Amino acid sequence: GAGVSQSPSNKVTEKGKDVELRCDPISGHTALYWYRQSLGQGLEFLIYFQGNSAPDKSGLPSDRFSAERTGGSVSTLTIQRTQQEDSAVYLCASSLSITGSYEQYFGPGTRLTVT
Amino acid sequence: EDQVTQSPEALRLQEGESSSLNCSYTVSGLRGLFWYRQDPGKGPEFLFTLYSAGEEKEKERLKATLTKKESFLHITAPKPEDSATYLCAVQAGYDMRFGAGTRLTVKP
Repeated sequence: GAGVSQSPSNKVTEKGKDVELRCDPISGHTALYWYRQSLGQGLEFLIYFQGNSAPDKSGLPSDRFSAERTGGSVSTLTIQRTQQEDSAVYLCASSLSITGSYEQYFGPGTRLTVT
Repeated sequence: EDQVTQSPEALRLQEGESSSLNCSYTVSGLRGLFWYRQDPGKGPEFLFTLYSAGEEKEKERLKATLTKKESFLHITAPKPEDSATYLCAVQAGYDMRFGAGTRLTVKP
């Protein structure tokens, strides 16, 4: 079946502009996660959704970052007034549920470059 | 605070030379320990989940083991196509905390 998809695959933007990153999870997966991976670094957890709800937003790096999920499926991560330090690969993952301990399946990522 | 430390940072092996990667963790209430493989420019690919000390899982040339403080990923007779970064992650709450990874290179 289809895996997790993300778009765009690459995004170059100017400092100060807003960007939207999209994630389509695996069909039937109720849990969705966003991570950030900077060059040579490990994955940094940003936020998770169970259904449309995001109970914990404390992982978001600043108030310029926001995320939403509609219809229990597609999610959008928005970065406002981008800064150069926002340059990274943004990865989305989905799993069957938040409860229990299910493996997460990752998309290919969106490489964001802020110039 | 939950912590995950992987060692070594990088490992170079000759084809056929077996070795092990280490993942040490401190977490309250481990729900699962996960191993992933990541190729350059791609998202992590799921390999194994381990839930309790003493558990082992195998897949082709890879074998993962778990104790109360660490996990090992054993690679037996590796091939060049096993070259990748191997990531370990622990889940206690609802999020997953990743180590920085071990970059494995297998030379023919």
